[in-house]
Amino acid sequence: GAVVSQHPSRVICKSGTSVKIECRSLDFQATTMFWYRQFPKQSLMLMATSNEGSKATYEQGVEKDKFLINHASLTLSTLTVTSAHPEDSSFYICSVETGNALATDTQYFGPGTRLTVL
Amino acid sequence: DAKTTQPTSMDCAEGRAANLPCNHSTISGNEYVYWYRQIHSQGPQYIIHGLKNNETNEMASLIITEDRKSSTLILPHATLRDTAVYYCIVRPLDSWGKLQFGAGTQVVVTP
Repeated sequence: GAVVSQHPSRVICKSGTSVKIECRSLDFQATTMFWYRQFPKQSLMLMATSNEGSKATYEQGVEKDKFLINHASLTLSTLTVTSAHPEDSSFYICSVETGNALATDTQYFGPGTRLTVL
Repeated sequence: DAKTTQPTSMDCAEGRAANLPCNHSTISGNEYVYWYRQIHSQGPQYIIHGLKNNETNEMASLIITEDRKSSTLILPHATLRDTAVYYCIVRPLDSWGKLQFGAGTQVVVTP
């Protein structure tokens, strides 16, 4: 399966600052990547679909101006949390789809990034 | 609206088989059943998926009932490292990659 990395693994920042999280597909060229968020003791929630060379598609309720996604290459997508606040503290996870996003494809996940906003 | 129902938690003895049930009574004919697991503070790990036939790989076996309304994930010899939350996900043909995670089953493997 695809190997996905994220950087950093954890970050602590002050309220009001912006934080960038990188997601890399190490052995697969991904036209589509996904960003999920997971609050403590809750399940994963899809935030947005990142498309290489085009704008990301955001899920309902996710502010696109707050969570900036850039998918500049087939191996890198970045999520920037702008003007972070304590309620943005969460576990952010990216994933790569190996195929054409059909039901028969498999999605592989990165190790996640723990964001803590003070 | 959840498409799958799983028990909240299960305990399993190390070395024994762990059988994880999942109900998906509203599954459509072209929807696949996927299983992922998430060890604490890590990203989800793909385990296995299937449509209607039973599937087996190096990690687990997936048994899907003939009417496809339920399935069972079998970990043949559970180890302590199998302690995780296991997610059963029904994936529509036109999901375009969107996986809808439910609450999953917290599996604790004990010595």
